[in-house]
Amino acid sequence: DIQMTQSPSSLSASVGDRVTITCRASQDISNYLAWFQQKPGKAPKSLIYAASSLQDGVPSKFSGSGSGTDFTLTISSLQPEDFATYYCQQYSSYPLTFGGGTKVEIK
Amino acid sequence: EVQLVETGGGLVQPGGSLRLSCAASGFIVTNNYMNWVRQSPGKGLEWVSVIYSGGSTYYADSVKGRFTISRDTSKNTLYLQMNGLRGEDTAVYYCVKSHCTTISCLTFDSWGQGTLVTVSS
Repeated sequence: DIQMTQSPSSLSASVGDRVTITCRASQDISNYLAWFQQKPGKAPKSLIYAASSLQDGVPSKFSGSGSGTDFTLTISSLQPEDFATYYCQQYSSYPLTFGGGTKVEIK
Repeated sequence: EVQLVETGGGLVQPGGSLRLSCAASGFIVTNNYMNWVRQSPGKGLEWVSVIYSGGSTYYADSVKGRFTISRDTSKNTLYLQMNGLRGEDTAVYYCVKSHCTTISCLTFDSWGQGTLVTVSS
């Protein structure tokens, strides 16, 4: 199975900050990488697919990059509605696997 | 507008069975890859199963042989039949629609609100 490792597991940031979350795959997954946002008590929301493509309706403050084994999710200017947990996922091979999550909290 | 509504969760004893349903609207279930993903209380996300538009199915090792994914074209509904339930199957179960891009049809896009399954005596 492909292991997905996110870092950090949590971070504190202020409104307006630029935030970067890292996701590393245990083997080459090309760009079969997605990012999701989950708020407490809610279903996850799809943000990015193919490492850097925004899902419909997702604001451009979210961006993704990377290929192979190393990927990043960047939020350009953190807003109150962005405080949530973020997950990466690989869909290169079965079983599809998720990272452990990064909780973004208010400083 | 795409909508996914899961039902069928509840409390079940170890060894018991449950069938989850996911009623879809705004698209045709059989034209897309459809998935089940679960999340144990306070934990991360775990992919459970997928059914292809052509009908092929795949499962996580943790549920293989116990869970069965299926769909009903006339009802535009996805199902997850869960047998031999264990305590570690306790989770919120989400129905997730995938769409096809140039490189893959496993691109998750829309999620249901989830249904809670609790396995306990």
